[in-house]
Amino acid sequence: EAGVAQSPRYKIIEKRQSVAFWCNPISGHATLYWYQQILGQGPKLLIQFQNNGVVDDSQLPKDRFSAERLKGVDSTLKIQPAKLEDSAVYLCASSPQQGLGSPLHFGNGTRLTVT
Amino acid sequence: GNSVTQMEGPVTLSEEAFLTINCTYTATGYPSLFWYVQYPGEGLQLLLKATKADDKGSNKGFEATYRKETTSFHLEKGSVQVSDSAVYFCALSERSGGGADGLTFGKGTHLIIQP
Repeated sequence: EAGVAQSPRYKIIEKRQSVAFWCNPISGHATLYWYQQILGQGPKLLIQFQNNGVVDDSQLPKDRFSAERLKGVDSTLKIQPAKLEDSAVYLCASSPQQGLGSPLHFGNGTRLTVT
Repeated sequence: GNSVTQMEGPVTLSEEAFLTINCTYTATGYPSLFWYVQYPGEGLQLLLKATKADDKGSNKGFEATYRKETTSFHLEKGSVQVSDSAVYFCALSERSGGGADGLTFGKGTHLIIQP
C-alpha cells in the first residue's frame, strides 16, 4: 500500500511569512495527526482529526496555526505568520481507526526553516 | 500531564553487544506503550507495542515489557547489528473522554552500532 504522502519536503521562509503543508494519508485511514518535531526532541502532537472532525487541538497554537481536513481525506496545516521558533519538521501520520494500540503510519515530514 | 523520559544518547555499541535503552513514563491512567524507530533517511515506524501491564512487545529481536509497578518500558536486544543504527523513540498513548489518543513521545535515543 502507498504510504503517507507529504509535501513539500523542504521549505525555507522568512519570519512573518506564511506557509502551508499538505498531507495525503493512507487510503481508508480515518484518523489523521499532525506532529511538530523540533531538532533534538521527540514529536509533539499538534492536532488530531477523526474523518473531517477535530478530536484534539489542545496543543495547537491557534493564534498562528490552523489545520483542516476537508472531505475527511487530505489535510493542510498552515502557519501565519511564522516565527523563528517554528523551525522544525512537521510530520503527518494516519491510522485506520481510533484506539489504543492502533499503529500510526508516518510520512517523511516537511522540514521548515524560518530565517 | 503525560510524559516520557528516555536515556540520552548517543549510545554507541559494538556489533553483537547487548542493548538496553531505558524508558519511564508518567500517566494519569492506563496508557498503551510503544517504541518507534527512525532509520536514516526514513520516516518513523512502529517497532513494538504493549497495551497492558506485564505485556511483552517484540519485533526484529527487540523486546520491551510493560512494567506498571516501575512505570517503565525498557527496550532490549540480545545482539545488535550495524543495521540497528537508528533513533529510537519511546511513546505512550492514553485515550481521553473525547477520543483523543495522540502519542506522547520521549526525546529519542540515537543508537550507533560499530562493526
